[in-house]
Amino acid sequence: AQTVTQSQPEMSVQEAETVTLSCTYDTSESDYYLFWYKQPPSRQMILVIRQEAYKQQNATENRFSVNFQKAAKSFSLKISDSQLGDAAMYFCAYRSSAFFYGGSQGNLIFGKGTKLSVKP
Amino acid sequence: DTGVSQDPRHKITKRGQNVTFRCDPISEHNRLYWYRQTLGQGPEFLTYFQNEAQLEKSRLLSDRFSAERPKGSFSTLEIQRTEQGDSAMYLCASSLDGQGNEAFFGQGTRLTVV
Repeated sequence: AQTVTQSQPEMSVQEAETVTLSCTYDTSESDYYLFWYKQPPSRQMILVIRQEAYKQQNATENRFSVNFQKAAKSFSLKISDSQLGDAAMYFCAYRSSAFFYGGSQGNLIFGKGTKLSVKP
Repeated sequence: DTGVSQDPRHKITKRGQNVTFRCDPISEHNRLYWYRQTLGQGPEFLTYFQNEAQLEKSRLLSDRFSAERPKGSFSTLEIQRTEQGDSAMYLCASSLDGQGNEAFFGQGTRLTVV
């Protein structure tokens, strides 16, 4: 079974600075998707960025980028130029690509999350 | 379309009572998922539907939990004979079939069993 581990329960960053959130996962599959989701207080979870395991190039979305190390099974999120609105819980999640061949539920497997605080 | 909506947002119930939550997915999404999130944890998968078919329910926490999606549109999650351990946030998500498609989440229903 796949597992996702986020070893940083809380992180803090100064506004305009850069912060990196860590995520490791365990799987025997070679093809899968990885996601970072953001959950602001009392708000719904929204997708920040996704990475296909078969792509070597790291995904980037504006101020958000990932460092995907497939061999090490590591998937960290870097937030540049941090803003007050970035304060939230961040969840790393895994989804098997077998979903696309009808062999899996397609559900997400989440880590426990990292609470990010942004100091003005 | 305003996204995935869940009702109610908050529910307080006495132990032993039955509760039902509703989820309205994004209209064209054929996949619908239910998750449970307890304090300090990430969401935990419970069950999912493709259209009206419930294709996975082995992860439902006990036989007190059941879910339906009768016409392939909205879904309900029912918990019978609630226990204090059922207190949690219940999240619904929907998506389209297809590689890498994003799952869109509702704001959740927070259940408190007293």
